[in-house]
Amino acid sequence: SQTIHQWPATLVQPVGSPLSLECTVEGTSNPNLYWYRQAAGRGLQLLFYSVGIGQISSEVPQNLSASRPQDRQFILSSKKLLLSDSGFYLCAWSVGPGVFAKNIQYFGAGTRLSVL
Amino acid sequence: GQNIDQPTEMTATEGAIVQINCTYQTSGFNGLFWYQQHAGEAPTFLSYNVLDGLEEKGRFSSFLSRSKGYSYLLLKELQMKDSASYLCAVTPYNNNDMRFGAGTRLTVKP
Repeated sequence: SQTIHQWPATLVQPVGSPLSLECTVEGTSNPNLYWYRQAAGRGLQLLFYSVGIGQISSEVPQNLSASRPQDRQFILSSKKLLLSDSGFYLCAWSVGPGVFAKNIQYFGAGTRLSVL
Repeated sequence: GQNIDQPTEMTATEGAIVQINCTYQTSGFNGLFWYQQHAGEAPTFLSYNVLDGLEEKGRFSSFLSRSKGYSYLLLKELQMKDSASYLCAVTPYNNNDMRFGAGTRLTVKP
C-alpha cells in the first residue's frame, strides 16, 4: 500500500531563517506531488505541483521554492522566512497522469510552521 | 477565476442527518471531491463525483449536478466523531490542479 511521510510535524523558526520541509512517498512510482499551505481557518492553497523529477509548477509567486530530486521525494524550501509564511503545510500525492486518473489526492500529516 | 463556495459553519445533533452544500464556478470541470479534516490533522478523502447523481458510501453520500455547478455531502446517523471540517474541491481541465473551498466546520452535539 502507498504511504506518504512528511516531516517535521511542527517547526518554529525566526524571521529570515531558511526552511526545508521534506516529503516522501512509498509504494508507488511516478506520482504527482503537491505542496499546499493552509492558513488558520482557511482553505488549502496550492503552492507547487510536480509531475516528474525536476518538473515543478508554481501556483503562487512568493519566497518559497520546491524541488523534486528523486521520483518520490518533494522538498519545500525558503532562503529567508517571512512572518506571513506561518501556516500548516501539507504534502500530497496522486496517481500519475492517465486518461482514467481520478486525481484523488492523499495527504501527509502536515507540518505546522510558526515564524516568529 | 475559480470560485468554490460552501457554508462556513454548521451544527447538528448526534444521530441526525446533515447536508453540506457546495457550489462552484470553474473554467472547466473534471471531478468534484469531498474531504474530511479533523482539527490539526490532514484532510482525508471521502468521495468523488464526475457524473451527475448520487454516490453512496456507507453513512456518507455525495451528489453532483454539473449543470447547476452544485454538490452536496450528506451525512447520516451523525456521530460525535463526525465533528470536523468538510472540504469541497474541484478539478478543472488540468488533472494536476485541484481547487479547494474554504471548508465547512461541522459541530455534532449530543
